Amino acid sequence: SQTIHQWPATLVQPVGSPLSLECTVEGTSNPNLYWYRQAAGRGLQLLFYSVGIGQISSEVPQNLSASRPQDRQFILSSKKLLLSDSGFYLCAWSDINTGELFFGEGSRLTVL
Amino acid sequence: GEDVEQSLFLSVREGDSSVINCTYTDSSSTYLYWYKQEPGAGLQLLTYIFSNMDMKQDQRLTVLLNKKDKHLSLRIADTQTGDSAIYFCAESIGGSARQLTFGSGTQLTVLP
Repeated sequence: SQTIHQWPATLVQPVGSPLSLECTVEGTSNPNLYWYRQAAGRGLQLLFYSVGIGQISSEVPQNLSASRPQDRQFILSSKKLLLSDSGFYLCAWSDINTGELFFGEGSRLTVL
Repeated sequence: GEDVEQSLFLSVREGDSSVINCTYTDSSSTYLYWYKQEPGAGLQLLTYIFSNMDMKQDQRLTVLLNKKDKHLSLRIADTQTGDSAIYFCAESIGGSARQLTFGSGTQLTVLP
């Protein structure tokens, strides 16, 4: 069966510091991968999606970047964090037949 | 563009039925989803319905779709304390997760 893991679960970082959130998927090959941000515990905003290694599409202009160095690995990064980057970040992969998204457990980022 | 709206809060007594409502704007939506998010966790798909269906039932869950009014509802029968969570309505065109639009979520609180 497929599983998705993301880490770290919780992160407190100072403004201006770098960020790296990692996500890996097991049990499926060539998945479509997504990074979402959920601000204030509510609506989800799609940040990035990837259909393959090295293929990244950005949905909104922002201070973050994403990379997919391996088929089942998706990384969210920043060189210098802003206060506004605080939030709950969710990685997901999708079933291409139904469009169902399978989410990781999330990473809560607090920028101080 | 697409817009999905939900009321923010709903409280019910344990054992009662819960009805969570959602409206959407894109008439070309073909898949409509209900996701559940428990505190501090990722989202989990509860059920989905194709736009050519009016109703779908799955154990305690009943989804009703009114295409004319672009209204989707989720009914939870015999609501339990474990049902307390945020429920997200989402729509997509052609079942593409890339084109998935989420509502802001409804916080369901089940009172003893």
